[in-house]
Amino acid sequence: SQKIEQNSEALNIQEGKTATLTCNYTNYSPAYLQWYRQDPGRGPVFLLLIRENEKEKRKERLKVTFDTTLKQSLFHITASQPADSATYLCALPGGFKTIFGAGTRLFVKA
Amino acid sequence: NAGVTQTPKFRILKIGQSMTLQCTQDMNHNYMYWYRQDPGMGLKLIYYSVGAGITDKGEVPNGYNVSRSTTEDFPLRLELAAPSQTSVYFCASSYSGGRADTQYFGPGTRLTVL
Repeated sequence: SQKIEQNSEALNIQEGKTATLTCNYTNYSPAYLQWYRQDPGRGPVFLLLIRENEKEKRKERLKVTFDTTLKQSLFHITASQPADSATYLCALPGGFKTIFGAGTRLFVKA
Repeated sequence: NAGVTQTPKFRILKIGQSMTLQCTQDMNHNYMYWYRQDPGMGLKLIYYSVGAGITDKGEVPNGYNVSRSTTEDFPLRLELAAPSQTSVYFCASSYSGGRADTQYFGPGTRLTVL
């Protein structure tokens, strides 16, 4: 079955630097991949969707890449701010077949 | 739009007690979902619904029941609470359930079973 692997270790970076989070998946290559943000005590919030024929997608300070050969997506936050501190989840969407990763916790220090 | 709302936010149950977690969405979404989230684990699907009157099991349905009498509401019932059901429960909804669909989540219910 399809699985998602995200780094379980928290990522600590300094304000102003670029944060890069990794999402690896096994088995078949999905047609779409999503990233969600989850703050402590809250539900996940959708950030970006990227299609398999898109190598890169940008939204403000966020950039997502999708490499179907490596079976990997990278999530970048440029000029990071303390307000970006949260857990970021990778997901392979498909309605009731959506698979979520466990997420990577990001801490941005001022 | 309130989006997806859940009640209660927190609850402590004793083993064997029952309770219903409430979920309501005001976006007229057809698809609704119940997930549980345990520390260090991805969201696990408990039950889902594709419309009023239609529900089906997800990955971890044992110990839970659902109903969907209206488009807006999708309550989750725990009949005989067990410590293994200690978790954070999230309700979500989406428009079509398709592969590019976005899910909208509620704020969650933190349940402890002692």
